[in-house]
Amino acid sequence: QQQVKQSPQSLIVQKGGISIINCAYENTAFDYFPWYQQFPGKGPALLIAIRPDVSEKKEGRFTISFNKSAKQFSLHIMDSQPGDSATYFCAAINTHSNYQLIWGAGTKLIIKP
Amino acid sequence: DAGVIQSPRHEVTEMGQEVTLRCKPISGHDYLFWYRQTMMRGLELLIYFNNNVPIDDSGMPEDRFSAKMPNASFSTLKIQPSEPRDSAVYFCASSLPGTATGELFFGEGSRLTVL
Repeated sequence: QQQVKQSPQSLIVQKGGISIINCAYENTAFDYFPWYQQFPGKGPALLIAIRPDVSEKKEGRFTISFNKSAKQFSLHIMDSQPGDSATYFCAAINTHSNYQLIWGAGTKLIIKP
Repeated sequence: DAGVIQSPRHEVTEMGQEVTLRCKPISGHDYLFWYRQTMMRGLELLIYFNNNVPIDDSGMPEDRFSAKMPNASFSTLKIQPSEPRDSAVYFCASSLPGTATGELFFGEGSRLTVL
């Protein structure tokens, strides 16, 4: 119940295309869903996050779509650029319970020029 | 503003040796986390502190691992004795005070290789 399942494990997209990464969860007590971006040799960094009271959040080329009934959320990267090549992690947390992020397994994204 | 600072960035040691990893969180952050990252297991939370007090150490793999936070600006993760299976990247992260959120600020990590 504490798991966050992330897919795909790896993804190759042409420059200018749309990258889509999906996550699913079981615990309905989760109330905050962040996405982290990690470049090689660096720590993960918060990219964008959403709360379950909204169905979509957009920041620049990055959009989170959230489907509360299906317990799924996804990251869309529009007009993908080579600089977006990184590993992306979805996560979930119940901010009213123990302070522990539950992490997806990560998606290695490669944007081909 | 300086981010989370970890040292050393790389450590190569031999099995059985003691390893100490260090972390300086962002000033004013009152949560500190130690994570381990491997290809096989992904990101694993080892332990976290709130106001220098260990809150949850259930992720610490075994007694060979210990962590301390003697003050708000410094924490250590110690492995004694080290084993090859401890080889991983260890991250320290800190977060803002107040209501728990999912926003963590990570350091650049300490890559540990145990031969």
